[in-house]
Amino acid sequence: GAGVSQSPRYKVAKRGQDVALRCDPISGHVSLFWYQQALGQGPEFLTYFQNEAQLDKSGLPSDRFFAERPEGSVSTLKIQRTQQEDSAVYLCASSLRWGVNYNEQFFGPGTRLTVL
Amino acid sequence: GQQVMQIPQYQHVQEGEDFTTYCNSSTTLSNIQWYKQRPGGHPVFLIQLVKSGEVKKQKRLTFQFGEAKKNSSLHITATQTTDVGTYFCAGQHGYGQNFVFGPGTRLSVLP
Repeated sequence: GAGVSQSPRYKVAKRGQDVALRCDPISGHVSLFWYQQALGQGPEFLTYFQNEAQLDKSGLPSDRFFAERPEGSVSTLKIQRTQQEDSAVYLCASSLRWGVNYNEQFFGPGTRLTVL
Repeated sequence: GQQVMQIPQYQHVQEGEDFTTYCNSSTTLSNIQWYKQRPGGHPVFLIQLVKSGEVKKQKRLTFQFGEAKKNSSLHITATQTTDVGTYFCAGQHGYGQNFVFGPGTRLSVLP
């Protein structure tokens, strides 16, 4: 498919477990974003990559959250020692480039994380 | 931090009625985007507005960016059941910065 894919689609973790969420952006897209969306809320920015460089991680809620994009394509969001407040849908989005007049973000289907 | 507000939170309309959602920022935005998220789905890009006072139309949808670049609106004429979903605005407070999403307006259309 040509869209953004994410895996797994659903993840149930026990409190304290580590989880890893994967994002495959659209081929050739330079920019990649991670968002957290709580039920009934808008997506909240977590972090942004341009190629392999993580240019903004100001939205990561704690040092338990870590993201990487080592080869500038696939990205992984890792959450260590999960807590119940981490339960949310984690959305990944990619953009062809990040410029003044062309910032369309293509979102993946999301990973719904439930922490018990 | 910088916030983007949206009103109303919910809107129920009869099919054929018009619908408008409003987006407001306390600070000037460099540009604003609108997304639609169907129930159980993911946000889908609708449009981006960059210029002060800009108005763009997509069939029954009209998007407007305020003169002061602090507010925006999305107006749907003669709603259809396919318009059901949550409409989000996302504002960028400076070029190259991340987008801040509003809380969304959930639209229900009664047939």
